[in-house]
Amino acid sequence: AQSVTQLGSHVSVSEGALVLLRCNYSSSVPPYLFWYVQYPNQGLQLLLKYTSAATLVKGINGFEAEFKKSETSFHLTKPSAHMSDAAEYFCAVSRPRGNDMRFGAGTRLTVKP
Amino acid sequence: EAQVTQNPRYLITVTGKKLTVTCSQNMNHEYMSWYRQDPGLGLRQIYYSMNVEVTDKGDVPEGYKVSRKEKRNFPLILESPSPNQTSLYFCASSSGQGGQETQYFGPGTRLLVL
Repeated sequence: AQSVTQLGSHVSVSEGALVLLRCNYSSSVPPYLFWYVQYPNQGLQLLLKYTSAATLVKGINGFEAEFKKSETSFHLTKPSAHMSDAAEYFCAVSRPRGNDMRFGAGTRLTVKP
Repeated sequence: EAQVTQNPRYLITVTGKKLTVTCSQNMNHEYMSWYRQDPGLGLRQIYYSMNVEVTDKGDVPEGYKVSRKEKRNFPLILESPSPNQTSLYFCASSSGQGGQETQYFGPGTRLLVL
């Protein structure tokens, strides 16, 4: 069975600083990997996904993530944080032809002025 | 507008009183799923449906029922709610089967069982 581990339940950065949210996965088959964002009182929306094409994936709002098979990681980055990036971020993994997406516990990002 | 809707958004009930949370999508999606979100645990899948009349258990199905009689609707039924079902519930849908599909989420239903 596949799973993901998000390192750090809370991350705080200053506005303009680098954002780095960590995600490591476990999967017995080549995985599909996702990052979703949840703003307060809203559902989740897709930031980006890796589906075995390019290992560096660019998403919305300036975020990107790199799939590193050797490190079983899919960390999310953004060069310069904005106040509007404050939200909870979820990493998720699924299998080809699978119907059971598995989510990490989430990382809450705070952006300080 | 393409969307997934859930009703109600907020619900307070008492132990044992049957309730239904509705979910509807207007994107003609085949796949629909229910999750619960609890602090420190992320989202856990309750049930999913690959098409009309096809449903299957997720990771935490105990105490829940679902049905898929129409493609657009996927209600979640709690026949005898208990306090440990207090949670934030999300419905999601996607256009096909297979792990690479993006799931589209509803706004969530916050349930308190007293």
